[in-house]
Amino acid sequence: QSALTQPASVSGSPGQSITISCTGTSSDIGGYNYVSWYQQHPGKAPKLLIYDVSNRPSGVSNRFSGSKSGNTASLTISGLQAEDESDYYCSSYTSSTSLVFGGGTKLTVL
Amino acid sequence: QVQLVESGGGLVKPGGSLRLSCAASGFSFSDYYMSWIRQAPGKGLEWVSYSSNSGSYRNYADSVKGRFTISRDNVKSSLYLHMNTLRAEDTAIYYCGRGRFLELLDYWGQGTLVTVSS
Repeated sequence: QSALTQPASVSGSPGQSITISCTGTSSDIGGYNYVSWYQQHPGKAPKLLIYDVSNRPSGVSNRFSGSKSGNTASLTISGLQAEDESDYYCSSYTSSTSLVFGGGTKLTVL
Repeated sequence: QVQLVESGGGLVKPGGSLRLSCAASGFSFSDYYMSWIRQAPGKGLEWVSYSSNSGSYRNYADSVKGRFTISRDNVKSSLYLHMNTLRAEDTAIYYCGRGRFLELLDYWGQGTLVTVSS
């Protein structure tokens, strides 16, 4: 199972919105509404931000939103804040009854 | 509150074995699927294996299939990863994660570092 494709890095200024894409295939993202997004700060464990494409767990800011079109999922962060600077990973359930992650995207808040 | 605490990591020679543990608390362990995920130094996340809540269903990433075995003890609220024939490329922080099924991981432990080197 190949990793999902994410941009290596994105950047934005405080207050702006950014979008991180995550591209897979019909065997993962395109075949199921089981896309999740995780935030990982340096030296810390990942934290679930979005699940089932667009749902937020309790306690996650509504500045984070998710969507999907075909084989590509997206994470949008609006009203960018300094504390959003982090690594972001997408994941998807696959037809092989496995989980596949994206390569990760480093977000820099300028 | 939900807590997952991994242990058992360390330095091991290529070809060696290691058993990782994940102690769970704060929730009904036997109701949840669990997974192991790893992260090589400076690299991204890689899913390793999952176990259904009863332990009846399991699956593994191709990179570890035949070498790693996942197991669980629902009485002890613990998840295990038995790792054999370890290779340098298995060097990573290993996290355990709680899942609704396999498709999301809503809680993660702090991880345990496994280093495979001679």
